[in-house]
Amino acid sequence: QQQVKQSPQSLIVQKGGISIINCAYENTAFDYFPWYQQFPGKGPALLIAIRPDVSEKKEGRFTISFNKSAKQFSLHIMDSQPGDSATYFCAASVASGGSYIPTFGRGTSLIVHP
Amino acid sequence: KAGVTQTPRYLIKTRGQQVTLSCSPISGHRSVSWYQQTPGQGLQFLFEYFSETQRNKGNFPGRFSGRQFSNSRSEMNVSTLELGDSALYLCASSLSGGDGYTFGSGTRLTVV
Repeated sequence: QQQVKQSPQSLIVQKGGISIINCAYENTAFDYFPWYQQFPGKGPALLIAIRPDVSEKKEGRFTISFNKSAKQFSLHIMDSQPGDSATYFCAASVASGGSYIPTFGRGTSLIVHP
Repeated sequence: KAGVTQTPRYLIKTRGQQVTLSCSPISGHRSVSWYQQTPGQGLQFLFEYFSETQRNKGNFPGRFSGRQFSNSRSEMNVSTLELGDSALYLCASSLSGGDGYTFGSGTRLTVV
């Protein structure tokens, strides 16, 4: 059972455009929602994260929008740049034994054309 | 500040063999987690260690095991390798297992 559904699987945008990646979750116990960015040959890197008590969080060109009632959250990349071309993973976590173990979405491959 | 170091980077093994992968976390980080990444299943959680104790475990068979040493370095072992074990194995560390995991670059395991 896929607990975190991510779409689209791939995304192509032009330089300067807005990239939008969506995720939906089922488990209402999730209370921490990070986004990771992964470049080829590297491990995922934490990009931005949000907790369900806020509806939006912005860090530079990256914004997370969170809709608790719909159990959905999304990543918006403003003014997309070729250097943003990577695979993006959303995740949802719940505290377990003192840890927040993320359940990952399947990933979105983003290509930004110059 | 050194990141999470995984060794080796690449490994080729034969079915039925066993393999041990190593992870050195960021200095001061006491929580180490392991993940399997494949094109078909994505990123899947294997287990997490904190202060030498396994604190969380994912849904993987007993062939997958791990341990953590007193210096927080961790190893994972896969016994009786199967073709389906071919994957990128990622290690991540954090101060205490809360938010903010830092991943290593992974070990690419190929089983032939």
